[in-house]
Amino acid sequence: KNQVEQSPQSLIILEGKNCTLQCNYTVSPFSNLRWYKQDTGRGPVSLTIMTFSENTKSNGRYTATLDADTKQSSLHITASQLSDSASYICVVLTTDSWGKFQFGAGTQVVVTP
Amino acid sequence: DAGITQSPRHKVTETGTPVTLRCHQTENHRYMYWYRQDPGHGLRLIHYSYGVKDTDKGEVSDGYSVSRSKTEDFLLTLESATSSQTSVYFCAIRDVPVGTEAFFGQGTRLTVV
Repeated sequence: KNQVEQSPQSLIILEGKNCTLQCNYTVSPFSNLRWYKQDTGRGPVSLTIMTFSENTKSNGRYTATLDADTKQSSLHITASQLSDSASYICVVLTTDSWGKFQFGAGTQVVVTP
Repeated sequence: DAGITQSPRHKVTETGTPVTLRCHQTENHRYMYWYRQDPGHGLRLIHYSYGVKDTDKGEVSDGYSVSRSKTEDFLLTLESATSSQTSVYFCAIRDVPVGTEAFFGQGTRLTVV
Protein backbone atom coordinates (compact mmCIF):
# COMPACT_ATOMS: atom_id res chain seq x y z
CA LYS A 1 0.00 0.00 0.00
CA ASN A 2 1.35 3.39 -0.98
CA GLN A 3 2.23 5.44 2.04
CA VAL A 4 1.42 8.69 0.20
CA GLU A 5 -2.08 9.01 -1.22
CA GLN A 6 -3.14 11.90 -3.41
CA SER A 7 -6.58 13.05 -4.47
CA PRO A 8 -8.12 13.64 -6.84
CA GLN A 9 -6.30 11.63 -9.50
CA SER A 10 -7.12 14.28 -12.04
CA LEU A 11 -9.09 17.47 -12.37
CA ILE A 12 -10.03 20.00 -15.00
CA ILE A 13 -10.37 23.65 -14.10
CA LEU A 14 -11.09 26.83 -15.99
CA GLU A 15 -8.34 29.36 -16.40
CA GLY A 16 -8.46 31.91 -13.62
CA LYS A 17 -10.14 29.60 -11.12
CA ASN A 18 -8.62 28.19 -7.92
CA CYS A 19 -8.16 24.56 -6.99
CA THR A 20 -6.89 22.49 -4.09
CA LEU A 21 -5.07 19.18 -4.22
CA GLN A 22 -4.89 16.79 -1.28
CA CYS A 23 -2.16 14.55 0.08
CA ASN A 24 -2.47 12.08 2.96
CA TYR A 25 0.54 10.17 4.20
CA THR A 26 1.43 7.48 6.68
CA VAL A 27 5.21 7.69 6.21
CA SER A 28 7.21 7.52 9.41
CA PRO A 29 9.51 8.85 10.70
CA PHE A 30 8.64 12.13 9.05
CA SER A 31 11.27 14.65 8.01
CA ASN A 32 9.67 16.95 5.50
CA LEU A 33 6.99 17.11 2.83
CA ARG A 34 7.49 18.43 -0.67
CA TRP A 35 5.26 19.32 -3.55
CA TYR A 36 6.63 18.95 -7.05
CA LYS A 37 5.28 20.04 -10.41
CA GLN A 38 5.96 17.77 -13.36
CA ASP A 39 5.28 19.01 -16.85
CA THR A 40 4.70 16.39 -19.54
CA GLY A 41 7.99 14.91 -20.68
CA ARG A 42 10.01 16.68 -18.01
CA GLY A 43 11.44 15.85 -14.62
CA PRO A 44 9.72 17.00 -11.41
CA VAL A 45 10.51 20.50 -10.20
CA SER A 46 10.18 21.52 -6.58
CA LEU A 47 7.44 23.94 -5.51
CA THR A 48 7.65 23.82 -1.71
CA ILE A 49 9.39 22.03 1.15
CA MET A 50 7.86 21.97 4.63
CA THR A 51 9.06 20.49 7.89
CA PHE A 52 6.69 19.28 10.59
CA SER A 53 6.81 22.66 12.35
CA GLU A 54 5.64 24.60 9.28
CA ASN A 55 1.93 24.95 8.58
CA THR A 56 1.99 27.00 5.40
CA LYS A 57 4.44 27.80 2.67
CA SER A 58 3.88 29.78 -0.49
CA ASN A 59 5.62 29.95 -3.83
CA GLY A 60 3.92 32.53 -6.00
CA ARG A 61 0.40 31.35 -6.75
CA TYR A 62 1.07 28.01 -5.05
CA THR A 63 0.35 27.64 -1.34
CA ALA A 64 1.00 24.42 0.52
CA THR A 65 -0.36 23.57 3.95
CA LEU A 66 0.68 20.85 6.33
CA ASP A 67 -1.06 19.32 9.33
CA ALA A 68 1.52 16.97 10.83
CA ASP A 69 -0.94 15.76 13.46
CA THR A 70 -3.43 14.42 10.93
CA LYS A 71 -0.71 13.72 8.35
CA GLN A 72 -2.41 15.74 5.67
CA SER A 73 -1.19 18.32 3.23
CA SER A 74 -2.81 20.39 0.54
CA LEU A 75 -1.62 22.42 -2.41
CA HIS A 76 -3.74 25.39 -3.41
CA ILE A 77 -3.36 26.95 -6.83
CA THR A 78 -4.70 30.49 -7.09
CA ALA A 79 -5.90 32.13 -10.30
CA SER A 80 -4.84 29.18 -12.43
CA GLN A 81 -3.03 29.70 -15.71
CA LEU A 82 -2.69 27.45 -18.73
CA SER A 83 0.92 26.83 -17.72
CA ASP A 84 -0.30 25.22 -14.51
CA SER A 85 -1.40 22.19 -16.52
CA ALA A 86 0.85 19.47 -15.13
CA SER A 87 1.07 16.61 -12.69
CA TYR A 88 1.51 17.64 -9.06
CA ILE A 89 3.33 15.18 -6.89
CA CYS A 90 3.38 14.99 -3.11
CA VAL A 91 6.62 13.61 -1.68
CA VAL A 92 7.40 12.75 1.91
CA LEU A 93 10.94 12.38 3.16
CA THR A 94 11.84 10.22 6.13
CA THR A 95 14.59 10.94 8.60
CA ASP A 96 16.67 7.98 7.47
CA SER A 97 20.30 8.90 7.16
CA TRP A 98 20.13 8.96 3.39
CA GLY A 99 16.67 10.47 3.16
CA LYS A 100 14.27 8.04 1.59
CA PHE A 101 11.58 9.68 -0.57
CA GLN A 102 8.03 8.35 -0.72
CA PHE A 103 6.17 9.58 -3.78
CA GLY A 104 2.46 9.95 -4.32
CA ALA A 105 1.08 8.95 -7.72
CA GLY A 106 0.31 12.57 -8.53
CA THR A 107 -2.73 14.65 -9.45
CA GLN A 108 -3.05 15.53 -13.12
CA VAL A 109 -4.32 19.10 -13.49
CA VAL A 110 -5.66 20.40 -16.79
CA VAL A 111 -6.38 24.11 -17.07
CA THR A 112 -8.70 25.00 -19.94
CA PRO A 113 -9.24 28.42 -21.53
CA ASP B 1 18.54 24.70 -13.47
CA ALA B 2 20.64 22.28 -11.48
CA GLY B 3 23.46 20.67 -13.40
CA ILE B 4 22.08 17.20 -13.96
CA THR B 5 22.04 15.49 -17.34
CA GLN B 6 20.66 12.13 -18.35
CA SER B 7 21.66 10.26 -21.46
CA PRO B 8 20.28 9.04 -23.69
CA ARG B 9 16.92 10.82 -23.57
CA HIS B 10 15.22 8.14 -25.62
CA LYS B 11 16.15 4.57 -26.39
CA VAL B 12 14.52 1.60 -28.03
CA THR B 13 16.15 -1.75 -27.43
CA GLU B 14 15.39 -5.41 -27.94
CA THR B 15 14.53 -7.90 -25.24
CA GLY B 16 17.61 -9.57 -23.84
CA THR B 17 20.10 -6.85 -24.71
CA PRO B 18 22.09 -4.94 -22.08
CA VAL B 19 21.34 -1.23 -21.67
CA THR B 20 23.18 1.44 -19.70
CA LEU B 21 21.71 4.80 -18.76
CA ARG B 22 23.93 7.60 -17.55
CA CYS B 23 23.31 10.35 -15.04
CA HIS B 24 25.88 13.14 -14.87
CA GLN B 25 25.90 15.97 -12.32
CA THR B 26 28.01 19.08 -11.96
CA GLU B 27 26.75 20.01 -8.46
CA ASN B 28 29.07 17.75 -6.45
CA HIS B 29 26.07 16.43 -4.51
CA ARG B 30 26.63 13.33 -2.43
CA TYR B 31 23.38 11.48 -3.02
CA MET B 32 22.24 10.20 -6.39
CA TYR B 33 19.11 8.19 -7.14
CA TRP B 34 17.58 6.25 -10.00
CA TYR B 35 13.79 6.07 -10.22
CA ARG B 36 11.35 4.66 -12.70
CA GLN B 37 7.97 6.22 -13.41
CA ASP B 38 5.05 4.20 -14.73
CA PRO B 39 1.42 5.21 -15.26
CA GLY B 40 -0.60 4.96 -12.06
CA HIS B 41 2.48 4.70 -9.88
CA GLY B 42 4.53 7.25 -8.07
CA LEU B 43 8.22 7.34 -8.81
CA ARG B 44 9.76 4.15 -7.48
CA LEU B 45 13.32 3.89 -6.29
CA ILE B 46 15.56 1.45 -8.16
CA HIS B 47 18.96 2.11 -6.61
CA TYR B 48 20.66 4.96 -4.84
CA SER B 49 24.18 6.04 -4.01
CA TYR B 50 25.48 7.85 -0.94
CA GLY B 51 29.02 8.27 -2.19
CA VAL B 52 31.61 7.00 -4.64
CA LYS B 53 31.40 3.21 -4.78
CA ASP B 54 28.64 3.28 -2.13
CA THR B 55 25.33 2.09 -3.50
CA ASP B 56 22.28 0.26 -2.24
CA LYS B 57 19.05 -1.22 -3.52
CA GLY B 58 15.69 0.44 -3.65
CA GLU B 59 12.24 -1.08 -3.78
CA VAL B 60 12.34 -2.24 -7.44
CA SER B 61 15.97 -3.23 -7.94
CA ASP B 62 15.52 -6.66 -9.52
CA GLY B 63 17.06 -6.74 -13.01
CA TYR B 64 19.05 -3.54 -12.46
CA SER B 65 22.57 -2.79 -11.34
CA VAL B 66 24.37 0.49 -10.74
CA SER B 67 27.87 1.85 -10.48
CA ARG B 68 29.36 5.09 -9.24
CA SER B 69 33.09 5.34 -9.82
CA LYS B 70 33.11 9.15 -9.74
CA THR B 71 31.08 11.67 -7.77
CA GLU B 72 29.57 13.09 -10.91
CA ASP B 73 28.43 9.91 -12.68
CA PHE B 74 25.84 7.32 -11.70
CA LEU B 75 25.19 4.55 -14.19
CA LEU B 76 22.12 2.32 -14.33
CA THR B 77 22.48 -0.97 -16.19
CA LEU B 78 19.79 -3.35 -17.31
CA GLU B 79 21.74 -6.56 -17.70
CA SER B 80 19.17 -8.22 -19.97
CA ALA B 81 16.30 -5.90 -20.82
CA THR B 82 12.73 -7.15 -20.54
CA SER B 83 9.47 -5.61 -21.69
CA SER B 84 8.51 -4.94 -18.07
CA GLN B 85 11.42 -2.51 -17.92
CA THR B 86 9.82 -0.26 -20.49
CA SER B 87 9.45 2.93 -18.51
CA VAL B 88 10.64 6.48 -17.99
CA TYR B 89 13.74 6.63 -15.84
CA PHE B 90 14.67 9.64 -13.74
CA CYS B 91 17.90 10.43 -12.00
CA ALA B 92 17.89 12.70 -8.95
CA ILE B 93 20.60 14.33 -6.88
CA ARG B 94 20.60 15.76 -3.39
CA ASP B 95 23.12 17.31 -1.04
CA VAL B 96 23.83 16.04 2.46
CA PRO B 97 21.38 17.79 4.85
CA VAL B 98 18.06 15.95 4.75
CA GLY B 99 16.11 19.17 4.22
CA THR B 100 17.94 20.24 1.10
CA GLU B 101 16.43 20.39 -2.32
CA ALA B 102 16.44 17.39 -4.62
CA PHE B 103 16.87 17.96 -8.32
CA PHE B 104 15.67 15.67 -11.07
CA GLY B 105 16.99 15.06 -14.53
CA GLN B 106 14.85 15.32 -17.64
CA GLY B 107 14.24 11.60 -17.82
CA THR B 108 15.09 8.78 -20.21
CA ARG B 109 12.26 7.08 -22.05
CA LEU B 110 13.23 3.43 -22.56
CA THR B 111 11.22 1.08 -24.72
CA VAL B 112 12.03 -2.63 -24.75
CA VAL B 113 10.55 -4.44 -27.74
